[in-house]
Amino acid sequence: GAVVSQHPSWVICKSGTSVKIECRSLDFQATTMFWYRQFPKQSLMLMATSNEGSKATYEQGVEKDKFLINHASLTLSTLTVTSAHPEDSSFYICSASPNYNNNEQFFGPGTRLTVL
Amino acid sequence: SQQGEEDPQALSIQEGENATMNCSYKTSINNLQWYRQNSGRGLVHLILIRSNEREKHSGRLRVTLDTSKKSSSLLITASRAADTASYFCATGRYSSASKIIFGSGTRLSIRP
Repeated sequence: GAVVSQHPSWVICKSGTSVKIECRSLDFQATTMFWYRQFPKQSLMLMATSNEGSKATYEQGVEKDKFLINHASLTLSTLTVTSAHPEDSSFYICSASPNYNNNEQFFGPGTRLTVL
Repeated sequence: SQQGEEDPQALSIQEGENATMNCSYKTSINNLQWYRQNSGRGLVHLILIRSNEREKHSGRLRVTLDTSKKSSSLLITASRAADTASYFCATGRYSSASKIIFGSGTRLSIRP
């Protein structure tokens, strides 16, 4: 099956620093990638939709200058949490979609971000 | 924002029993998917049911979809300890290509 990886799997950083998370589709090309955030014991909240070669589409309430998304190739999207603060601590999950319109997504294992 | 709600929020059953989880949503959909998530891990895709389908089976899983009631159910038969996880439904809308919105989830615990 289609495999999506994320790196790093966990990261601890100081408040005010920026953190970059990578999402890669390993055995398929992803037209679209998605970034989700999940707080403990809660559901996944879609943050943004990332299309290769174009600007990401952010969900309402998500600051685009805070969460920078780059989808430079069909196999790689990155999420940079800029000037991270403790309230940004969360589980960040990406997914990749190989087809445009059938809603099929393959999820990465997630990245645990802890901001001190 | 989340598309829908799942109930129950938490479910604890004895191993061997059947587990039923329900999902309700608000807008018209193209398809509905169910995912499982073990604690602190990524999501595992279980099954996808399209809006023109009413029931689908996969192993011990049975999913139903009632578009008139905007609801779906996931039945896990003969539950096992390894089924302990959170289960989420996610809907794909006509107007948003590839975008899916997750429900609130059900935490399932299987007692040995």
